This record gives sequence, C-alpha cells and structure tokens, in this order.
Amino acid sequence: DVKVTQSSRYLVKRTGEKVFLECVQDMDHENMFWYRQDPGLGLRLIYFSYDVKMKEKGDIPEGYSVSREKKERFSLILESASTNQTSMYLCASSLFHRGMGNQPQHFGDGTRLSIL
Amino acid sequence: AQSVSQHNHHVILSEAASLELGCNYSYGGTVNLFWYVQYPGQHLQLLLKYFSGDPLVKGIKGFEAEFIKSKFSFNLRKPSVQWSDTAEYFCAVNSDYKLSFGAGTTVTVRA
Repeated sequence: DVKVTQSSRYLVKRTGEKVFLECVQDMDHENMFWYRQDPGLGLRLIYFSYDVKMKEKGDIPEGYSVSREKKERFSLILESASTNQTSMYLCASSLFHRGMGNQPQHFGDGTRLSIL
Repeated sequence: AQSVSQHNHHVILSEAASLELGCNYSYGGTVNLFWYVQYPGQHLQLLLKYFSGDPLVKGIKGFEAEFIKSKFSFNLRKPSVQWSDTAEYFCAVNSDYKLSFGAGTTVTVRA
C-alpha cells in the first residue's frame, strides 16, 4: 500500500519565519504535489514535480517554493510566512504509466499549519 | 485553467436515503475524472475513477458515478447511505499533470 508521509501533523510558526514542510513517499512515484485545503475552496495546487529537480507552478504558487532533490522527497518552503498562509497542507504522489498517463494521486495525512 | 463545480456545499440526509452529488467541469479535451472522500480526521482517499470505457463507474463502498461527456458532468451516486458515509466528498479532474478539485461537498448522514 502506498504511504505518503508528511513530517508534522500540526505546526505553529511566527510571521516572517522560513517554514519547511516535508513529504516522503515510498512507492517510487514520479509525480509529487503540494496542495492547500481551505474550507469552501477545496484543494488548490501550489506546486508539483514530475521528476527529480523538476518543478512546475500550480494555481497558487505565490509565497511558496519547492525542492525535489530526491525522487521520494518533496519539500514545500514558505519563504517568509504570513498569516494568510495558515491552512491545511496536503502532499500527494502519483505514478506515471506509459500508455495510461497519470494515475490517481495518493495523499498524506496533512499538516495543519498556523502562522501567528 | 480547468474549473470544477460541485453543486452542493452541504447535504444532510437520513440513513437509507439515496445520495447524488453533482460535479461539472469546464475542460473540453480528454480528461480523467475522480471522486475522493475524506472521512473525519483521515486523509483523502480515492472513491472511484474514470479513465475511459464504460461511462458508469463503480467504486468502493457501493458508490458509483456516471460520466456524461456532452454535459461535462461526473455525478456521484449511492442508492442507500449509511451513517459511516458522513464525510467530505471532492470531485477532481485531471488534465496533463494537474488535478483540479471542486470545493467539496460535506455529507452528513443522520442515524
């Protein structure tokens, strides 16, 4: 069974801090994703990566960056945290299958981040 | 950009009632369609998916969904809900690498 592990379930940080959210998957998936989940807005894609050292902006990349140095790990970075970045952050991974394209995404448990 | 609309924000129903959740998307090309469910305190899980073939898709826990290409719709159904179906349900559409989600529908099933 696929396991997507996010480093923290709950995190509290202060405005202006640099924040790192870590995600690790154990199924050798090519694709990895970071979303934020807010009530009434569903999930919004921040960044995704389809290979090591590759990254693509999602729908709301402002204020965030990412790093993918190893296939199994995808980090989300808040360069200078602000209160409007208080949210639930979800990491996901998926397999790319030649001939069938991208397979369903598997999600981690989420990190509830509060910026004070 | 892809847009996904879920018709209901919150649905409340009694056990054994039938459930139908609406989902419409905007993209006119080839898409893959999904319904995900998030039970209280748990991570998002795949309920069912449509890639190609039979437009009526059966998923886990008695759920099914029908893809109607002409209406850009992918509605989720369950004939008889249980209390344990209380959860948030998300429709999602995949084009290229990106998965676009609807805002979600909270379903509350009363015992």
